[in-house]
Amino acid sequence: SAVISQKPSRDICQRGTSLTIQCQVDSQVTMMFWYRQQPGQSLTLIATANQGSEATYESGFVIDKFPISRPNLTFSTLTVSNMSPEDSSIYLCSVDANYGYTFGSGTRLTVV
Amino acid sequence: QQQVKQSPQSLIVQKGGISIINCAYENTAFDYFPWYQQFPGKGPALLIAIRPDVSEKKEGRFTISFNKSAKQFSLHIMDSQPGDSATYFCAASGQTGANNLFFGTGTRLTVIP
Repeated sequence: SAVISQKPSRDICQRGTSLTIQCQVDSQVTMMFWYRQQPGQSLTLIATANQGSEATYESGFVIDKFPISRPNLTFSTLTVSNMSPEDSSIYLCSVDANYGYTFGSGTRLTVV
Repeated sequence: QQQVKQSPQSLIVQKGGISIINCAYENTAFDYFPWYQQFPGKGPALLIAIRPDVSEKKEGRFTISFNKSAKQFSLHIMDSQPGDSATYFCAASGQTGANNLFFGTGTRLTVIP
């Protein structure tokens, strides 16, 4: 299965600022997925990112708040913009490669 | 609407016992059913997965049982060990590579020594 390098692993940010999370995959993949996992909760899909096109956002998530870049088939970034304490969560990227969805190790974000 | 329903929310099992986690789905277009194991501070890791053309899949101590007509599937952990203590998520998707995963709500498993 694919190996994903996600960074940063954690960050503490001031409200009103933005944080960009990076995911690098060791193989080319068509689609990359970004999830949010709030403390003690399940995973919720934020958006799906295809290379060369606009990301597709799920209900409740908007591009202005969570802009995504997908410049090539091995890399993507998710930005959490104008953060508030409610954005404190774990953010994860995921890919489907070789018949298995693989996840990055996650970015634990705390907004103070 | 929760696409995949998972139970129980938490489970405590004695070492050596069998842990059983159940999931149910509604969307008959789902054709891929993985289970993920997540330790605190880590991302989910694929444990085992099944497709609807088989009723059971076993990998070591982990077995998925799949009932297509009932739209249910379950994870059985045989000879449960304290190292199995983690949160387990079932999930479902259609046509891997083209669709995202829909996750269950998770089961926190504690295996008591």
